[in-house]
Order: sequence, then structure tokens, then C-alpha cells
Amino acid sequence: AQSVTQLDSHVSVSEGTPVLLRCNYSSSYSPSLFWYVQHPNKGLQLLLKYTSAATLVKGINGFEAEFKKSETSFHLTKPSAHMSDAAEYFCVVSPDRDSSYKLIFGSGTRLLVRP
Amino acid sequence: DVKVTQSSRYLVKRTGEKVFLECVQDMDHENMFWYRQDPGLGLRLIYFSYDVKMKEKGDIPEGYSVSREKKERFSLILESASTNQTSMYLCASSPQDGTGRRGEQYFGPGTRLTVT
Repeated sequence: AQSVTQLDSHVSVSEGTPVLLRCNYSSSYSPSLFWYVQHPNKGLQLLLKYTSAATLVKGINGFEAEFKKSETSFHLTKPSAHMSDAAEYFCVVSPDRDSSYKLIFGSGTRLLVRP
Repeated sequence: DVKVTQSSRYLVKRTGEKVFLECVQDMDHENMFWYRQDPGLGLRLIYFSYDVKMKEKGDIPEGYSVSREKKERFSLILESASTNQTSMYLCASSPQDGTGRRGEQYFGPGTRLTVT
């Protein structure tokens, strides 16, 4: 069965320092993987996605993620945190090879950015 | 930009009431979804619809039903609300498969439902 595990429920960084949000997945085949972000009182927004092209994926707002099959990981990074990055981040796997409609969400990581 | 709107941001209902949550999208998307979001559990799929009048159960359909009479509108119905249905409800839409936008879902702002 496909699943996704976010290793940290909360991550706190200082503004200007790097961000690392960790995600491991389980899938019986090469999956599609996504990061979604949810800012306070707003709906989720797609940050980036991996669909078997380049393993390093760039997203919006300076975020990127690297697909590592050997480690079954898809960690989200950003070189320098900004106050506006404070939000909840969800790692997501699409488990169905033939259809994109079903997504499995991780439990979320809340990113706090200290001034 | 895709816009997904939900009828209410906050809703308070009593146990046993019938509750309707409405969702409208303006991008002519074939697929629509209802999720509930609870702390520490992420999002869990309740129902989705891939066409007008078509629906399939998600992971937690018990206690819920849905209606899709028009392509742009997808309603979630709680037939008899219970306190364990207190949650944030999120609606989403996505284009059909084969458009190269696999997994891209567009979310509404959510409805926070409290059942007392």
C-alpha cells in the first residue's frame, strides 16, 4: 500500500536560515509526489510536483525538493526562510498509476519562522 | 486563476441536524473532491466525483453523502450531524486525466464546522 510519512510535526527556523521538511514515502512503483502548502485561513496550494522527470524539482517561492528513490525520500528545502513561509506543509503521494484523482496526504509539518 | 469557493467559512450546527456544504469551481474541471482535515491526520478523502451525477466513496464516507447535479457544483451532505463530524472541510477540483497536470488539485478556503 502507498503511504507518506512526514517526519516532523513542527519545524522552527530563524528568518534567513535554511529550511528542511522531511518526507518519506512508500510505494510499490515509481510514484508521483507533491508538496502542498496551506497558509493560515487559506486553502491548500500546490508548491511543486515530481512525476518521473528530473529528480530535483523546483517549485514556487524558492522551494525545491529532491526525489531519492534509494532512500524513498522527497524532502522539501529552501536556502533562506522568509517570514511569509510560515505555514503548514503537506507531502502527498499519488498512488494510482493510471489516474491522478486519488491523493494520499501526510499528516503535515507546521513551519514556524522566527524573526 | 482557478477559483474554488465554499458557501461558508464557519458553521455551527446541532447534533441531528441535516447539514449542506456547498462548493463551486469556475474552471470547468471534471473532478471534484471533499476532504476533511483534522490536526495530526492530514487530509482524508470523503467522496469524489469525476463527472456530473457520478461519485465514488473515498476513505471515510460513513455519515456523509454527496450530490453533483451540475459540473461546477459539488455538495457534501451530513444527513444527521454528530459531534465527531466537527472538523475542517475542504473542497477541491482538478482537471481530467491526460492533461499533463497529474495530481494538481485546487482547493477552496475550507468550512470549519462545529457540531454541538
